[in-house]
Amino acid sequence: NAGVTQTPKFRVLKTGQSMTLLCAQDMNHEYMYWYRQDPGMGLRLIHYSVGEGTTAKGEVPDGYNVSRLKKQNFLLGLESAAPSQTSVYFCASSLPGQHTGELFFGEGSRLTVL
Amino acid sequence: GENVEQHPSTLSVQEGDSAVIKCTYSDSASNYFPWYKQELGKRPQLIIDIRSNVGEKKDQRIAVTLNKTAKHFSLHITETQPEDSAVYFCAAKLLQGAQKLVFGQGTRLTINP
Repeated sequence: NAGVTQTPKFRVLKTGQSMTLLCAQDMNHEYMYWYRQDPGMGLRLIHYSVGEGTTAKGEVPDGYNVSRLKKQNFLLGLESAAPSQTSVYFCASSLPGQHTGELFFGEGSRLTVL
Repeated sequence: GENVEQHPSTLSVQEGDSAVIKCTYSDSASNYFPWYKQELGKRPQLIIDIRSNVGEKKDQRIAVTLNKTAKHFSLHITETQPEDSAVYFCAAKLLQGAQKLVFGQGTRLTINP
């Protein structure tokens, strides 16, 4: 039981390049989330999904797109990376809110945009 | 939407002393308040949570208190140990439905030997 797995764990991009972060969970969770973590800013929600085929915007969605084609996977895309997107990205999953609010996080993906 | 403010941003205490981290939230409808601990280079992990139908919850050396009227909640760590050094995040949400968990800015706690 691996829990929540993120790939890649490290990536360096040049401004304007594109990339996709992959999140996979094996806990059969309905909800999945992408957060970014910056010093002094806490964890800010980028996008989230409440089920296969659904996505919704979080607090800081600009510059990112997501897809949830399969229940176990949640992809975060950067179409044209900018230095402001340098951050540590965390994926998380959870059961539907009425059961438990606990988020299970992946190990994080450190992205640097030059 | 919900907004969570967390203080202090850094906290340094002597080993064995107590540490208190405080948070305020803006949405009176929020009814679920978790605390996450993030050790250096690791993922955040839930350490304790409280729902709005109780005022206090304890788990060994950690406790959380909630004041719904003032919209405040706090994390208390007693008899601090070096392994308590980490960044702590508070958060708030409405548990029902697809509401989003909103985090505070984090508190870096350092335990000095």
